[in-house]
Amino acid sequence: DAKTTQPNSMESNEEEPVHLPCNHSTISGTDYIHWYRQLPSQGPEYVIHGLTSNVNNRMASLAIAEDRKSSTLILHRATLRDAAVYYCIPLNFGNEKLTFGTGTRLTIIP
Amino acid sequence: KAGVTQTPRYLIKTRGQQVTLSCSPISGHRSVSWYQQTPGQGLQFLFEYFSETQRNKGNFPGRFSGRQFSNSRSEMNVSTLELGDSALYLCASSLAFVGGYTFGSGTRLTVV
Repeated sequence: DAKTTQPNSMESNEEEPVHLPCNHSTISGTDYIHWYRQLPSQGPEYVIHGLTSNVNNRMASLAIAEDRKSSTLILHRATLRDAAVYYCIPLNFGNEKLTFGTGTRLTIIP
Repeated sequence: KAGVTQTPRYLIKTRGQQVTLSCSPISGHRSVSWYQQTPGQGLQFLFEYFSETQRNKGNFPGRFSGRQFSNSRSEMNVSTLELGDSALYLCASSLAFVGGYTFGSGTRLTVV
């Protein structure tokens, strides 16, 4: 499994953009980059995933470096409800086992 | 649409007993995975089933087992419970690789 490195914690002001980085330098060419988040007292929640190109959905955007060794999850306008632990997970199609690291605990300041 | 349903939500068992946890995936989802979450070890993968076959297994002792039925519902069983098995057990289902996994709210197991 590819190893990931994320900051332990980050803070952001409400209604401002948040950029959550992830390093995955050992990622294989066929690994997709998935992001999940876990709100307090809930199960993890799928956020977004991508392979090479940048991706957008209603929750967030995912920017993937050209060499694929890092990616950034972008929350365009943070709300209090976005306070959670965010996990970056390389995942190979056919080996559908999510390996959660320690993630980044995001705190939103009102 | 209904989400992933796990029952029961809470469970208290005594050391040495066995326990069975149930998971009903989202309708149409054929892949079901199980995870254990503890404060010390975080989220750890237990096993994954697809069409009643175990496709992936994590590094847990043989006391942990699971199965999937023809309607995709899944159960996991832990035999000879130990205090260290106290955890939140999460089930997740997926339609396919694309789209990600949807997790249930979990079953919190306490072993006393």
